[in-house]
Amino acid sequence: QSALTQPASVSGSPGQSITISCTGTSSDVGGYNYVSWYQQHPGKAPKLMIYEVSNRPSGVSNRFSGSKSGNTASLTISGLQAEDEADYYCSSYTSSSTWVFGGGTKLTVL
Amino acid sequence: QVQLVESGGGLVKPGGSLRLSCAASGFTFSDYYMSWIRQAPGKGLEWVSYISSSGSTIYYADSVKGRFTISRDNAKNSLYLQMNSLRAEDTAVYYCASEPPSGYYYDYWGQGTLVTVSS
Repeated sequence: QSALTQPASVSGSPGQSITISCTGTSSDVGGYNYVSWYQQHPGKAPKLMIYEVSNRPSGVSNRFSGSKSGNTASLTISGLQAEDEADYYCSSYTSSSTWVFGGGTKLTVL
Repeated sequence: QVQLVESGGGLVKPGGSLRLSCAASGFTFSDYYMSWIRQAPGKGLEWVSYISSSGSTIYYADSVKGRFTISRDNAKNSLYLQMNSLRAEDTAVYYCASEPPSGYYYDYWGQGTLVTVSS
């Protein structure tokens, strides 16, 4: 159950776009369209932003989008805003009937 | 509105036990799968355990297998995590999270309860 690989940090200026990658294996990310993304502000519970690779829950801004290619999933945030500054985690279902998270990416809005 | 409220966290000595609870409201609890997910101080999220809507299917992370037991009471809209043989590395905020019947993702999370294992 190794964690999915995410960059430790990314940054961008307001209005710009950033992409966070999430790399796994064929036993998790590559094997299923069950990748989800969560946003976590300091001291708060995580919030679902993307599910099943590219679906947005009701109420989540369309500035957030997800995709997947092979064993790597990606979260893209366009039109960066100050409120987007947070930690982001990817997650995937695995062939062992377990779930695995990425190590998390700290997004800084410059 | 959907609410998940965890309780039962606290300070416990290594080797000790603790039982966490998660009270659910605002949705049909018996239709949802549930999980416990933890976050050590300053660290990332770690999936701990899963239970199906009826309680018939249960999975655990290797790090807690044999020590933790997940259960639920649909009549009381409640989820539980019995934690035995606790270790320092179990110190974390424990979240309960709901998973809709159609998906493999967590649509709602509780606010978390802190478990500290220390002598």
